[in-house]
Amino acid sequence: DAGVIQSPRHEVTEMGQEVTLRCKPISGHNSLFWYRQTMMRGLELLIYFNNNVPIDDSGMPEDRFSAKMPNASFSTLKIQPSEPRDSAVYFCASSLSDLQAFFGQGTRLTVV
Amino acid sequence: GQQLNQSPQSMFIQEGEDVSMNCTSSSIFNTWLWYKQDPGEGPVLLIALYKAGELTSNGRLTAQFGITRKDSFLNISASIPSDVGIYFCAGQLRGATNKLIFGTGTLLAVQP
Repeated sequence: DAGVIQSPRHEVTEMGQEVTLRCKPISGHNSLFWYRQTMMRGLELLIYFNNNVPIDDSGMPEDRFSAKMPNASFSTLKIQPSEPRDSAVYFCASSLSDLQAFFGQGTRLTVV
Repeated sequence: GQQLNQSPQSMFIQEGEDVSMNCTSSSIFNTWLWYKQDPGEGPVLLIALYKAGELTSNGRLTAQFGITRKDSFLNISASIPSDVGIYFCAGQLRGATNKLIFGTGTLLAVQP
């Protein structure tokens, strides 16, 4: 298995633009997580899905952030409009019910 | 968001030395996981612990799930240069669903 696949690896965008991050979880995993990592706040859980259904989105910073999981093999995290403070590394992870989450390589987002 | 207290923040050691790091919380956890993150990569799972008092080894790594369910430690024996990275603990709160809380991380540097 190729593991969790995220795209793009790097994204540089101007403030106000829409940004879409993509994730393909490991085949057969039923949970998917979106994390944000910064120096100041460490690894923060933004949202997670179980069987494609959003279970907990309490970590989503504000309405500018939205996430979807239209099927078991694909998820997106969208930021609209983006702001410089959104600059971070965004990780997607997937797991079975045993909680052993496997992470993708992340998307490094820079908003200028 | 909620985070676990992880210590030390950083360690600078000589190759061959043993290393110990730990995580504590005021809350009770059902599961403890330990991850390692290399620069530019996502965290990789090292060890998973599911029962209070459980002691598990993975090569030179040993981790334990505290009896009180509020702490865990990770030991690395005979460190080598490739052990360099950031180590994170992660836990599932008792009563929570499929959701991990991450520690603040321990940066390990190994001098050859």
